[in-house]
Amino acid sequence: QVQLQESGPGLVKPSQTLSLTCTVSGGSISSGDYYWSWIRQPPGKGLEWIGYIYYTGSTYYNPSLKSRVTISVDTSKNQFSLKLSSVTAADTAVYYCARREGGSYYEGVWGKGTTVTVSS
Amino acid sequence: EIVLTQSPGTLSLSPGERATLSCRASQSLSSSYLAWYEQKPGQAPRPLIYGASSRATGIPDRFSGSGSGTDFTLTISRLEPEDFAVYYCQQYGSSLTFGGGTKVEIK
Repeated sequence: QVQLQESGPGLVKPSQTLSLTCTVSGGSISSGDYYWSWIRQPPGKGLEWIGYIYYTGSTYYNPSLKSRVTISVDTSKNQFSLKLSSVTAADTAVYYCARREGGSYYEGVWGKGTTVTVSS
Repeated sequence: EIVLTQSPGTLSLSPGERATLSCRASQSLSSSYLAWYEQKPGQAPRPLIYGASSRATGIPDRFSGSGSGTDFTLTISRLEPEDFAVYYCQQYGSSLTFGGGTKVEIK
């Protein structure tokens, strides 16, 4: 079955760019049935959608983060990535990647999540 | 943007009891765009319900979803020990947002 795994630095300095990659195994990221999402959760708080991407490169972002977010896809590596610029302590969170079911409108498969701390 | 308000914030119940969780949207949305997730400490969310009432793969039938328009409900008919967790609703009608969550704790 499909599995997702987040990877990237666990510590990022304020004002720098957070970069994470999600590697998809057990299935093709180029399947037209799915979108590929990033979602985050600050410590002790709820879930916040960041955005998602289709394998063609079409992207959809949270309006509140849109000016700082870039999501990209590399179909040759079966990966998709997140870049969040100009980070502050408020961007400290567990970051999850997930597979969004295209016809059913929900995140059906999630990675385990990776903790990113913004601190100098 | 549609805001989802979940209530109550915390639900204290005993195993075997029925849990009823509410999710209210700030404006009407299609039932197709309402999902529910369960999250346990240190774990990723697990999808439970999509399309307001369809169970995700592998979800036991004690979990059920209902509702339409602005009012949606997740019901757990008989709480099992493993059901004590935080539950989130999610909408896709306007952008994509989550509710603030309801914690179901052991009484």
